[in-house]
Amino acid sequence: AQSVTQLGSHVSVSEGALVLLRCNYSSSVPPYLFWYVQYPNQGLQLLLKYTSAATLVKGINGFEAEFKKSETSFHLTKPSAHMSDAAEYFCAVTNGGTSYGKLTFGQGTILTVHP
Amino acid sequence: DAGVIQSPRHEVTEMGQEVTLRCKPISGHDYLFWYRQTMMRGLELLIYFNNNVPIDDSGMPEDRFSAKMPNASFSTLKIQPSEPRDSAVYFCASRGTSGTAEQFFGPGTRLTVL
Repeated sequence: AQSVTQLGSHVSVSEGALVLLRCNYSSSVPPYLFWYVQYPNQGLQLLLKYTSAATLVKGINGFEAEFKKSETSFHLTKPSAHMSDAAEYFCAVTNGGTSYGKLTFGQGTILTVHP
Repeated sequence: DAGVIQSPRHEVTEMGQEVTLRCKPISGHDYLFWYRQTMMRGLELLIYFNNNVPIDDSGMPEDRFSAKMPNASFSTLKIQPSEPRDSAVYFCASRGTSGTAEQFFGPGTRLTVL
């Protein structure tokens, strides 16, 4: 079984401040991990993914995440927040493998960016 | 590529009516997923297909919901009869077999049942 916990349903930061969105996972086998972003009235868009290569993963829009097996975490960070980063962010896990298709999503974290 | 296409984008209907949501996956993708998103329950996987065959429908709420994939380029999610609690945004997603399990999402259908 696999699961994802996102700590904090709402995160608020000032423009220019560090963004840190937390994700912890549970998986019985080495996982693949994903961060998706959802802007208002839109579908989910992939930000970045970890697939057992480098533990520090860089994504679009200046975001990155670090896979820490010992902490079962995959936190999302961005050094300097922009107003355009305001959205809802979802962490997701799968047990990987090209034949296993199911993603399990966290409950989401709404990021608000203040001027 | 046009990405995952969903129609309609918005649907307003009355309780008891049949609703059909449509999805065209990305060409060449052989997995298709239907999700439902609500404020209360978040993002829920309803059902997914591999090579047009339903693999896991454990998330389908009840018998009022049904999904089909008659061919590799088309899927439907049907609700009959619809109820106000079915109001939600329904997303379709697809992925290929090769690669790293990344799913590509459509823009969603916002369903309102009055």
